[in-house]
Amino acid sequence: TQLLEQSPQFLSIQEGENLTVYCNSSSVFSSLQWYRQEPGEGPVLLVTVVTGGEVKKLKRLTFQFGDARKDSSLHITAAQPGDTGLYLCAGKLETSYDKVIFGPGTSLSVIP
Amino acid sequence: EAQVTQNPRYLITVTGKKLTVTCSQNMNHEYMSWYRQDPGLGLRQIYYSMNVEVTDKGDVPEGYKVSRKEKRNFPLILESPSPNQTSLYFCASSLRREGGNIQYFGAGTRLSVL
Repeated sequence: TQLLEQSPQFLSIQEGENLTVYCNSSSVFSSLQWYRQEPGEGPVLLVTVVTGGEVKKLKRLTFQFGDARKDSSLHITAAQPGDTGLYLCAGKLETSYDKVIFGPGTSLSVIP
Repeated sequence: EAQVTQNPRYLITVTGKKLTVTCSQNMNHEYMSWYRQDPGLGLRQIYYSMNVEVTDKGDVPEGYKVSRKEKRNFPLILESPSPNQTSLYFCASSLRREGGNIQYFGAGTRLSVL
């Protein structure tokens, strides 16, 4: 059983479309991170959110942490082919000092 | 350039033949981890180390060993590999930061055990 669920698992869209991917859990996290992983490479950190309700923007990417700190969303505006990759969320449990739990990822393909 | 270096990038081996995957970081980070990535399961932590000579099991440690004799190196050892250890492996080192650590990942090692 996954502690962190991500949806959708796969997403294929046309360049210029908007999309939202979700990360959900029944557990409370002290912080939640989003990573992007491109083929043949390791994940790269995009953002960390720590406060319930927090919204962070990174150019065309908007990240939101749920009020109860159990879920998060990533919204991409006007997707570009360069956004293609695997998006992973990772949560740090309140009881954990350093360890994070990763979700299974959303594989995004943006078609030119 | 700050980086985490894993070797080899690709490895095909046979059941029972001991192997070591090396990991080195040049950022003086104390915390390092090994993960395996399997389709639909995400990244699962195998072992982690909070500092030199301090290691502990992650979520899926069976069949693996690690050592941390120096701060920069954190090798992953498979004493007797089995086919269910076929996977994509990542080493990571962490910068501790208030509000959430930043993990830096290596490029990965794709292992096939026949």
